[in-house]
Amino acid sequence: EDKVVQSPLSLVVHEGDTVTLNCSYEVTNFRSLLWYKQEKKAPTFLFMLTSSGIEKKSGRLSSILDKKELSSILNITATQTGDSAIYLCAVGGSGGSNYKLTFGKGTLLTVNP
Amino acid sequence: EAGVTQFPSHSVIEKGQTVTLRCDPISGHDNLYWYRRVMGKEIKFLLHFVKESKQDESGMPNNRFLAERTGGTYSTLKVQPAELEDSGVYFCASSQDVRDGYTFGSGTRLTVV
Repeated sequence: EDKVVQSPLSLVVHEGDTVTLNCSYEVTNFRSLLWYKQEKKAPTFLFMLTSSGIEKKSGRLSSILDKKELSSILNITATQTGDSAIYLCAVGGSGGSNYKLTFGKGTLLTVNP
Repeated sequence: EAGVTQFPSHSVIEKGQTVTLRCDPISGHDNLYWYRRVMGKEIKFLLHFVKESKQDESGMPNNRFLAERTGGTYSTLKVQPAELEDSGVYFCASSQDVRDGYTFGSGTRLTVV
């Protein structure tokens, strides 16, 4: 069965700190790895990674995929209180559908002022 | 553009009753997905529509769950009869292409008492 494991499950930091969130996976027919941010309700899309070693960046957030290690990290630099959220990692594998995501449990990030 | 909308946002029903959840995807998105998060667990795939056709329904828990997408626009997910273990947050998502990251709706929180 496909599996995605995120660590840590929870993290509390102070504004200005840099954090690294981890995601490892075991899936058949890997297609891509996605990161989402969930604040109150809808998970919002951050990044989709398909190629190993290529960093994707958006402001203070960046992410990279390591297909050899079957893992990805999400970095947030100079954290702000608005970064507080659950960060979800999901992996797309073919299975019976062209695009069926397997999610991890998420990392709850709390940024204190 | 309007996002993915789900209705209702929260529903409380008694065990044995029937509930119907609705999802309106982003206009023009052929792919529509249902996912569910049960308390303390990961978000899990339920099924995938391409237009009005069910592409993959391997995640549907049992035959008490029925999803439809008549005309390839909005979708409904009916639970009949509801059981206590059906409680959770039901997310709908859509995408234009299966290779795209999804856009999620805010979810429907279902509580079965």
